[in-house]
Amino acid sequence: AQTVTQSQPEMSVQEAETVTLSCTYDTSESDYYLFWYKQPPSRQMILVIRQEAYKQQNATENRFSVNFQKAAKSFSLKISDSQLGDAAMYFCAYRTSGSRLTFGEGTQLTVNP
Amino acid sequence: DAGITQSPRHKVTETGTPVTLRCHQTENHRYMYWYRQDPGHGLRLIHYSYGVKDTDKGEVSDGYSVSRSKTEDFLLTLESATSSQTSVYFCAISGGTSIPNTQYFGPGTRLTVL
Repeated sequence: AQTVTQSQPEMSVQEAETVTLSCTYDTSESDYYLFWYKQPPSRQMILVIRQEAYKQQNATENRFSVNFQKAAKSFSLKISDSQLGDAAMYFCAYRTSGSRLTFGEGTQLTVNP
Repeated sequence: DAGITQSPRHKVTETGTPVTLRCHQTENHRYMYWYRQDPGHGLRLIHYSYGVKDTDKGEVSDGYSVSRSKTEDFLLTLESATSSQTSVYFCAISGGTSIPNTQYFGPGTRLTVL
């Protein structure tokens, strides 16, 4: 079974600085998708970024980018120029066959002014 | 917001009573999912549907049943609620005209079983 591990339960960053959240996964599949979701205090799950495993180029969405290392099964999220609104729980997720998502346990990000 | 609503948004019930949560979507997505979120566990899949009347179990399906009689509605039923089913429940959708292979989530339902 696929597993997703987020080894940092909590992280903090100063406003305008850069922070990297870690995620590793275990799979025997070669074709899959990886995601980062953000959950602010409102509880809404918001898609931040997605990565197709067959693409070597790392995905970027404005201030958010990933470092996808397929051989190492690593999928980290970098947030540049952190803003107070980035404070949230961040979940890494892996899309299994049959379109199911497997989630990590989350990293709580605090942004300090 | 991908056109997903969940009802009710909050519910308090007693052990042993039946509970039904509703997920409604407006964009003709083929796939619908129910997850529960508990501290220390992230989100875990309960059941999912890949079409009208086509459903399958997830990793934490015991004590839950689902039904999908039309494309837009996916119901999650707790036949006899237990305190261990106190959780936040999320519905998600994928397919349709959204980004392929990507799930979008509803606002969640907080269920408390006393």
